[in-house]
Amino acid sequence: GAVVSQHPSWVICKSGTSVKIECRSLDFQATTMFWYRQFPKQSLMLMATSNEGSKATYEQGVEKDKFLINHASLTLSTLTVTSAHPEDSSFYICSAISTGFTNEKLFFGSGTQLSVL
Amino acid sequence: AQSVAQPEDQVNVAEGNPLTVKCTYSVSGNPYLFWYVQYPNRGLQFLLKYITGDNLVKGSYGFEAEFNKSQTSFHLKKPSALVSDSALYFCAVRDPSEGAGSYQLTFGKGTKLSVIP
Repeated sequence: GAVVSQHPSWVICKSGTSVKIECRSLDFQATTMFWYRQFPKQSLMLMATSNEGSKATYEQGVEKDKFLINHASLTLSTLTVTSAHPEDSSFYICSAISTGFTNEKLFFGSGTQLSVL
Repeated sequence: AQSVAQPEDQVNVAEGNPLTVKCTYSVSGNPYLFWYVQYPNRGLQFLLKYITGDNLVKGSYGFEAEFNKSQTSFHLKKPSALVSDSALYFCAVRDPSEGAGSYQLTFGKGTKLSVIP
């Protein structure tokens, strides 16, 4: 089946630095990608939706200048956490789908655990 | 706005026994409902969905779910649990008012299923 690869699986960084997370669709063209964050024992919270070649649409309360999303190609989206702080520590998950797919073909990456010291 | 509740953080069941993972939802109109499973270090995988039709939906790995409109529930079930079913299970709902082109899902917080040999 289709695979979405997310890297890195975990990252530790110092406060004030930036971290980039990559999400790649390996065998299909991902016209739409979603980025979520998840705190322990909490739901996956949608952060933003990105369509290839367009600016991302951010959910209410998500700072677009802090969480930079780039979806420049049909197989790659990146999430950059800029000037990270300890409160940004979380589990980040991407998902990808192609136009015309139905919801069961929404494929997820394995997630990135970010720890900011 | 739609929401999903998974009232149990963890469910323990003996191998061979039936299992149930609970999910209730809140959405305007008729819901689109989904179950996903996440194994350790893997992305979420689609199990089954309810859009319309029979209230009992069958999915992957022998799982099924029953849509109950009056109780606004969509519990996940399996007649005989396997140790390999141990994983994290997420219930999700899609707002039908978003239209056919929307893939956005609202997730529950997840339920950890442990099947004891």
